[in-house]
Amino acid sequence: DSGVTQTPKHLITATGQRVTLRCSPRSGDLSVYWYQQSLDQGLQFLIQYYNGEERAKGNILERFSAQQFPDLHSELNLSSLELGDSALYFCASGSLDRPNTGELFFGEGSRLTVL
Amino acid sequence: QQPVQSPQAVILREGEDAVINCSSSKALYSVHWYRQKHGEAPVFLMILLKGGEQKGHEKISASFNEKKQQSSLYLTASQLSYSGTYFCGTDIYTGTYKYIFGTGTRLKVLA
Repeated sequence: DSGVTQTPKHLITATGQRVTLRCSPRSGDLSVYWYQQSLDQGLQFLIQYYNGEERAKGNILERFSAQQFPDLHSELNLSSLELGDSALYFCASGSLDRPNTGELFFGEGSRLTVL
Repeated sequence: QQPVQSPQAVILREGEDAVINCSSSKALYSVHWYRQKHGEAPVFLMILLKGGEQKGHEKISASFNEKKQQSSLYLTASQLSYSGTYFCGTDIYTGTYKYIFGTGTRLKVLA
């Protein structure tokens, strides 16, 4: 158990819909990272927050948005869903604003299926 | 920008050795290695820092060549449990620091 909690674990929805994925980081961790992993593909960086502020942004679509709340949990909002958005979405947390001297802890992921 | 890993895939017999490489076009300040079992979350294996410091909690070794912007992961006397996809991870500076992963290497260990 990494200590990172993601909900829901599985989500099936239709094209055009909107979903929210939730992540609670490990106790004490200030950084939250979001990654997208399409079927048998690599981990694509979406966005990072540190202590409530956006720290870095990857190739995140405009239809996607995220935020980190004062209690440090984070939400990833995906709207106008398309078939290609079907993927495993991972959240990871770390204690530093940059993980260069520490590890990231991953949640179990939220598997999104868009039909 | 994404670090390139080689080989893309490798199949081993138990007890055999393997080397996985990670190469970046950007300067590397540290390299992390993770292993992901199918359908599971990536799990941290090791971190390598500039200056040669290493931190990890598994019996897996690695090297980091800062000048060549490369890192290699050495798996010796492989076990069935080593099967999975290995990713290198690193901070890349492109105006801001982004923590990104390499292209991945699939490793399968056969009995």
